[in-house]
Amino acid sequence: DTEVTQTPKHLVMGMTNKKSLKCEQHMGHRAMYWYKQKAKKPPELMFVYSYEKLSINESVPSRFSPECPNSSLLNLHLHALQPEDSALYLCASSPTGRAGREQYFGPGTRLTVT
Amino acid sequence: AQKVTQAQTEISVVEKEDVTLDCVYETRDTTYYLFWYKQPPSGELVFLIRRNSFDEQNEISGRYSWNFQKSTSSFNFTITASQVVDSAVYFCALSDPNRDDKIIFGKGTRLHILP
Repeated sequence: DTEVTQTPKHLVMGMTNKKSLKCEQHMGHRAMYWYKQKAKKPPELMFVYSYEKLSINESVPSRFSPECPNSSLLNLHLHALQPEDSALYLCASSPTGRAGREQYFGPGTRLTVT
Repeated sequence: AQKVTQAQTEISVVEKEDVTLDCVYETRDTTYYLFWYKQPPSGELVFLIRRNSFDEQNEISGRYSWNFQKSTSSFNFTITASQVVDSAVYFCALSDPNRDDKIIFGKGTRLHILP
């Protein structure tokens, strides 16, 4: 069962709101990822949790904050976002975080910041 | 520097035609991995195939086939007898040798299969 679930599917939030995106996988994978994808662009890696260790794409602003409560769950906390943060946010998991392993993606959360 | 080029931005073919999506990559590594992902309109990226640099055998999976040629740094994807359900954006990707957990995506090819 190669399934990654994400909630919510759609989210509209104001620039002063605080919200969270959730991701879950039950495949026993040890690496989980957050990507941001703008329209007609490839996904851009934001964060990686691999064996409970966080790696950050340094270009990601601090208004995005990841959290990994356990190896199956990954959250993305959002605070004081800007309209340019509107995008599709994809979660993915991989059996390990090692090079060459494929990633399995969730359906995404389509975020609109007003 | 590592790079993936998908020169075809958008392709339209009539159903049942064969179509090939091109992917050219650049890397200085001798060990690397290549991938294809499909992104239908629903948004979810679907893993299709992984190929390591030491395995140049072509792969066939149903109507899908992949041609990996190290001599031309290409990893092309062919859909035989295309169907409307094949309409999607297809991304070719390369493992990043500097970070185990990162893959480098091409810009994608949007494929329209017309009924």
